Amino acid sequence: SQQGEEDPQALSIQEGENATMNCSYKTSINNLQWYRQNSGRGLVHLILIRSNEREKHSGRLRVTLDTSKKSSSLLITASRAADTASYFCATDAVYGNKLVFGAGTILRVKS
Amino acid sequence: GAVVSQHPSWVICKSGTSVKIECRSLDFQATTMFWYRQFPKQSLMLMATSNEGSKATYEQGVEKDKFLINHASLTLSTLTVTSAHPEDSSFYICSAWTGLENNEQFFGPGTRLTVL
Repeated sequence: SQQGEEDPQALSIQEGENATMNCSYKTSINNLQWYRQNSGRGLVHLILIRSNEREKHSGRLRVTLDTSKKSSSLLITASRAADTASYFCATDAVYGNKLVFGAGTILRVKS
Repeated sequence: GAVVSQHPSWVICKSGTSVKIECRSLDFQATTMFWYRQFPKQSLMLMATSNEGSKATYEQGVEKDKFLINHASLTLSTLTVTSAHPEDSSFYICSAWTGLENNEQFFGPGTRLTVL
């Protein structure tokens, strides 16, 4: 069953603006990962953050993790039209390897 | 990064026929492969976990006799949708896991199944 919830469900911004997406989960986790999916395509791995990490950066991406609140955020800075896609968080439970996906956020970046 | 392929990328079939979808890890050995299903504008739903040489573990509500999974080698897993019906039309995505501690899974490009 899907345990993650993401907000917003959809986000529309102008090119150059920052986009922030949030993800909440319900049980203890080992890792949290963010994926991107272009329409009708497979998933692209963006970044993984471990449960003992609080923040991680990769290029224009910044991910935070708050295990006390069971939530994570993905920030995309200086967005581009090519960032238009669906973004999913996925968690795996401690000692497990199944990924549970959030509902996803549809991001549209207007040029 | 590691590459996972799926074949076919799309398939259209008549109701009642069976369809086989292949998932291959091209440049690494996958201890475990996962099969997901995604309906339009929805998230991925895990269907089953497939370990090489053993029976697949199905998620609750997924019919194992309808969705046959075979993981014959460390680089190949197949999903066969038996006696397909229009409600089986969906996007099927596989992922492969190396078994390393960081638990990064590498996803295939997906297969679009349309059952007429």
